[in-house]
Amino acid sequence: EAQVTQNPRYLITVTGKKLTVTCSQNMNHEYMSWYRQDPGLGLRQIYYSMNVEVTDKGDVPEGYKVSRKEKRNFPLILESPSPNQTSLYFCASSARGVSYEQYFGPGTRLTVT
Amino acid sequence: GQQVMQIPQYQHVQEGEDFTTYCNSSTTLSNIQWYKQRPGGHPVFLIQLVKSGEVKKQKRLTFQFGEAKKNSSLHITATQTTDVGTYFCVGLRDSNYQLIWGAGTKLIIKP
Repeated sequence: EAQVTQNPRYLITVTGKKLTVTCSQNMNHEYMSWYRQDPGLGLRQIYYSMNVEVTDKGDVPEGYKVSRKEKRNFPLILESPSPNQTSLYFCASSARGVSYEQYFGPGTRLTVT
Repeated sequence: GQQVMQIPQYQHVQEGEDFTTYCNSSTTLSNIQWYKQRPGGHPVFLIQLVKSGEVKKQKRLTFQFGEAKKNSSLHITATQTTDVGTYFCVGLRDSNYQLIWGAGTKLIIKP
């Protein structure tokens, strides 16, 4: 089944404790992206990747890192999480770039205390 | 900041009534996509519009892209409980080829 998977689905952590949210897609998509969703703000793009070893900042990249060493994986790293990073995070992938429909993962609800 | 304004933020309708959400951009868009997010779920792609003045239909849903490629709308005829969720427009900026999301319109069916 074609899908985007994220882990973990829920995470409660403390300020400053490094964490990684994994994202994997099995559709051989070139484009992958991370979003955060906060009430009333819609989805805001954190980082995106057009292909392996190619990443770029989205609208809200501060406090986040990403890497794209393999086509299927696009982990999101929070080196020193803070409470303002409490949010719902979505990973998405697309076949050939931003002009095409995106497939979203189920989401990761992160709480930083 | 947000450069695609989506209104209204919420819309309460009785089942069977129509629903419309509008998106307006300050800049020209290459295309616009629409997504639906059910409560507790993730966004799911509905449609993409590319041409100026384009109109597309999916059963009870009608999507329009403005002549100037700066605005779009989604109209649902005779809403059903399965339509409940938040509808997002996503524009692709002509200038820098980046995506901009509207804040979404939440469709609520009154009991």
